[in-house]
Amino acid sequence: QKEVEQNSGPLSVPEGAIASLNCTYSDRGSQSFFWYRQYSGKSPELIMSIYSNGDKEDGRFTAQLNKASQYVSLLIRDSQPSDSATYLCAGRTGANNLFFGTGTRLTVIP
Amino acid sequence: GAGVSQSPSNKVTEKGKDVELRCDPISGHTALYWYRQSLGQGLEFLIYFQGNSAPDKSGLPSDRFSAERTGGSVSTLTIQRTQQEDSAVYLCASSPFRGETQYFGPGTRLLVL
Repeated sequence: QKEVEQNSGPLSVPEGAIASLNCTYSDRGSQSFFWYRQYSGKSPELIMSIYSNGDKEDGRFTAQLNKASQYVSLLIRDSQPSDSATYLCAGRTGANNLFFGTGTRLTVIP
Repeated sequence: GAGVSQSPSNKVTEKGKDVELRCDPISGHTALYWYRQSLGQGLEFLIYFQGNSAPDKSGLPSDRFSAERTGGSVSTLTIQRTQQEDSAVYLCASSPFRGETQYFGPGTRLLVL
């Protein structure tokens, strides 16, 4: 079983809509989670990190963590074409490395 | 400030040859990670260095893969007797300390013919 799973998409939303990206994880010991954005041909860049249950907001982005249900989500409000990218979810279980999902490809349609 | 740098940016090699990939982490970052990303796939952890501690090699796919980190800074990932399935983007990341945010380099795109 993969440590972190994501729907590969593609997910298409119209400009201005809310994009919802979801991720589940298998290890209940996972302590912290990260969302990375990766544009085609580029390296991943950190969008959000979340450590506690609940919501964490940063501008148009909101990360949500539910440890009981073992899922993490990322909401992007007022989606823009520039948000079109692959979004990678990652979890850390007190070990040294991150376990990454395969990513969800998001397309925001103008 | 300067980010993580990697070289070469692209490498084409013939099956059976050895290759070396270099990573320069952000100055002062004690943790360094290597990942591999195959086309359309997520990131696969390879190896982790933290200061002077023994590296975590649990992600290396075979004994053809090895990595060193000299002086707690620059790291080299070596792939011996390359195979076509080694073709991927090799990403390096560094962080100030274990478990903190990882900052990725631009990657080395390796193609084994």
